[in-house]
Amino acid sequence: QSVLTQPPSVSAAPGQRVSISCSGRTSNIGNNYVSWYQQVSGRAPKLLIYKNSERPSGIPDRFSGSKSGTSATLGITGLQTGDEADYYCATWDSSLRSGVFGGGTKLTVL
Amino acid sequence: QVQLQESGPGLVKPPQTLSLTCTVSGASIRTSGHYWTWIRQFPEKGLEWIGYIYHSGNTYYNPSLESRLTMSVDTSKNQFSLKLTSLTVADTAVYYCARVPNDIYHYMDVWGKGTTVTVS
Repeated sequence: QSVLTQPPSVSAAPGQRVSISCSGRTSNIGNNYVSWYQQVSGRAPKLLIYKNSERPSGIPDRFSGSKSGTSATLGITGLQTGDEADYYCATWDSSLRSGVFGGGTKLTVL
Repeated sequence: QVQLQESGPGLVKPPQTLSLTCTVSGASIRTSGHYWTWIRQFPEKGLEWIGYIYHSGNTYYNPSLESRLTMSVDTSKNQFSLKLTSLTVADTAVYYCARVPNDIYHYMDVWGKGTTVTVS
């Protein structure tokens, strides 16, 4: 059971927009920064979003992040078949004194 | 560019000790503010943060693993390492090393490719 809660799967058609939620508590998302990772099958996770909404260089602006209270959201617009992957949120939990992850969301581009 | 490479045994018997090393290239492990971390991914895909280490040797461990875990750093080789004792089948996972460029924001910007560890 992951500390952060994500939907197991989401799907949308090419060109459409999808949102992936990440729900936590005050001790984690509420008081700390959230990052998001993309993991294509068989590969290592790749940083997509850090500091809630910042994109590393090389990450297209189709990917966006936001945070409100104890929840965070990853948005992907203009979906492409290459976006099919698992997506994970992560943050620090001040009560657990540990990094924590969401359980991951599998994105299917229909 | 910065690259990280994990190395270690692929198969370990319980209750032996797992030793993994992460070699950093393209950057100095002594860069101020940069932390180095281990993360593992279980077969059912869940990710677990294992711990951080700084080049000074300061460590931050996942409390659930603290009693079995030791992390160390060798700045002369630009490497950091993990030792996990008393292994059980539940420790079977892909182990990743990664860089944390700022511990306040807690994000991993460069990851190794991962090494599969089977405890059996």
